[in-house]
Amino acid sequence: SQQGEEDPQALSIQEGENATMNCSYKTSINNLQWYRQNSGRGLVHLILIRSNEREKHSGRLRVTLDTSKKSSSLLITASRAADTASYFCATGAGSYQLTFGKGTKLSVIP
Amino acid sequence: DVKVTQSSRYLVKRTGEKVFLECVQDMDHENMFWYRQDPGLGLRLIYFSYDVKMKEKGDIPEGYSVSREKKERFSLILESASTNQTSMYLCASSRSSSPSEQYFGPGTRLTVT
Repeated sequence: SQQGEEDPQALSIQEGENATMNCSYKTSINNLQWYRQNSGRGLVHLILIRSNEREKHSGRLRVTLDTSKKSSSLLITASRAADTASYFCATGAGSYQLTFGKGTKLSVIP
Repeated sequence: DVKVTQSSRYLVKRTGEKVFLECVQDMDHENMFWYRQDPGLGLRLIYFSYDVKMKEKGDIPEGYSVSREKKERFSLILESASTNQTSMYLCASSRSSSPSEQYFGPGTRLTVT
């Protein structure tokens, strides 16, 4: 199956800065989701955006989706040390399954 | 609060042993999934189940089998563990409606020596 690809693979920023992660995918989707994983733990769902939506907000998170470019971005505003984690995009094409990317490792330096 | 639990956080087994990884969810979800996660490879789907006694192969089912006798429980079985099955194993569940987010357990880090 075709995975989403996150970019960059790793990102290091200062606390208070904004962090932007990108995800590109290859096949048609009906939804895209972002998950966070703290070191050595399970994934936690952050936000889901449907293919007919262009932008979605949740607290300090903003997700955009451009289906014409087959890409999505996750923006975390005013980052905190607690945001340090790996972030994964996952694409869904209408079945129960999700296809996960390899993740972006975000480090927020206090 | 939704909860997915896995039987062990860490597990060490010897090559050739039969290994059982258990996953239990308390959300009455229809779908359950087993993934493995390896550095540089992301999450890869091993098997999933959309109903009791139903199972579907994922991307990497070789060397694994699964069992779902009750709705809340999904077991992953390594019939004869090998060193290349050393990995982090993650269980997840979701509702049957689409799209649906997945809820993950804390993971089991399996080492096969």
